[in-house]
Amino acid sequence: GAVVSQHPSWVICKSGTSVKIECRSLDFQATTMFWYRQFPKQSLMLMATSNEGSKATYEQGVEKDKFLINHASLTLSTLTVTSAHPEDSSFYICSARRPRSGANVLTFGAGSRLTVL
Amino acid sequence: DQQVKQNSPSLSVQEGRISILNCDYTNSMFDYFLWYKKYPAEGPTFLISISSIKDKNEDGRFTVFLNKSAKHLSLHIVPSQPGDSAVYFCAASPGRGATNKLIFGTGTLLAVQP
Repeated sequence: GAVVSQHPSWVICKSGTSVKIECRSLDFQATTMFWYRQFPKQSLMLMATSNEGSKATYEQGVEKDKFLINHASLTLSTLTVTSAHPEDSSFYICSARRPRSGANVLTFGAGSRLTVL
Repeated sequence: DQQVKQNSPSLSVQEGRISILNCDYTNSMFDYFLWYKKYPAEGPTFLISISSIKDKNEDGRFTVFLNKSAKHLSLHIVPSQPGDSAVYFCAASPGRGATNKLIFGTGTLLAVQP
């Protein structure tokens, strides 16, 4: 079955540094990937839609200069949290749509837990 | 503005009984609905979906019901098993296109007691 791999699964960084999270579709090509963020006891909030070969589409309220998304190939999208602050600490999850899976069925990565000190 | 709502943050059910998880939505443009299951520190996994042209979809122990007029859907799990204990998210989308985004509810933590 289709697999989405996310790396790292857990990262701690100092305030002011940047952190890159990778999302890979291991056995299928994904022209579109989605980045979500989840705060404790809250819903998955869509941050942005990552489009291969073009600019990402950000949801309202999400700072595109802070959360840099690059989708340079059909199997890799990256999210870079720039100048991270403690309030950026969260669980970040990427997803991609499986080919021939039926509409809107997303396969999610295992998520990346970011803790900013 | 929470377009997809799961008003019960948690639910506890005895093993073998029915679990009913509810979800309400406000956007009448939504026409495709899904349920995802999530374990701690893992990404959600797809469970079952339903199109707005249907009012019921069944897959083994899982059945999703959709009431469009009430903008309400529910997930029934019967019989419930301890391994079903997880957070369940409902999600909605305004179409079936590849780029249509999913809007998730806040989740319901299901605990199935042995």
